[in-house]
Amino acid sequence: SYVLTQPPSVSVAPGKTARITCGGNNIGSKSVHWYQQKPGQAPVLVIYYDSDRPSGIPERFSGSNSGNTATLTISRVEAGDEADYYCQVWDSSSDPFYVFGTGTKVTVL
Amino acid sequence: EVQLVESGGGLVKPGGSLRLSCAASGFTFSNAWMSWVRQAPGKGLEWVGRIKSKTDGGTTDYAAPVKGRFTISRDDSKNTLYLQMNSLKTEDTAVYYCTTVVPLLRYFDLWGRGTLVTVSS
Repeated sequence: SYVLTQPPSVSVAPGKTARITCGGNNIGSKSVHWYQQKPGQAPVLVIYYDSDRPSGIPERFSGSNSGNTATLTISRVEAGDEADYYCQVWDSSSDPFYVFGTGTKVTVL
Repeated sequence: EVQLVESGGGLVKPGGSLRLSCAASGFTFSNAWMSWVRQAPGKGLEWVGRIKSKTDGGTTDYAAPVKGRFTISRDDSKNTLYLQMNSLKTEDTAVYYCTTVVPLLRYFDLWGRGTLVTVSS
């Protein structure tokens, strides 16, 4: 099965930039999607197709994908950005088809 | 309002069965690909299975841990998605989320709030 690896945690001061990586074999050839999950809540899509933002998601959230690493970048971090973040891809040759990353806890200092 | 509302969770003994429902509203359910995603307590997200729209064949796919035990179905006349869970194991304990799936790019667009399933003796 296809494996997506994320750092367990990232800490960032308010107003600074947080970068969350998602590593996978040749992930640059796949479409990567990102979800934010706050405690006790359902996940919310924040980035799809590597770098597109759904309506209602602030421009502070951006994404990139190349080689073996995809990155979610949160600029001008706010206290409300504290959450768990998951990357996700679809791989028809994998079981499961829909693969989630291990998740990253973002802590705003 | 576009929303998904899960129901049917609860406490069940190992080896038992449970059926979850997901009521959809605010969009054309019959055209939607639907999926179930679960999250064990304190753990990450895990895809459970997916059903395509009937116009796209209505086929289902499942993750290996639930294949042969779980069945996803849909009733488009009731705008409702189902997850029949049989031969439940303690490791199936999780919050189960109902989601829509964007067919071409295969991501999860809309999520319900989830329903908790606890498998314990």
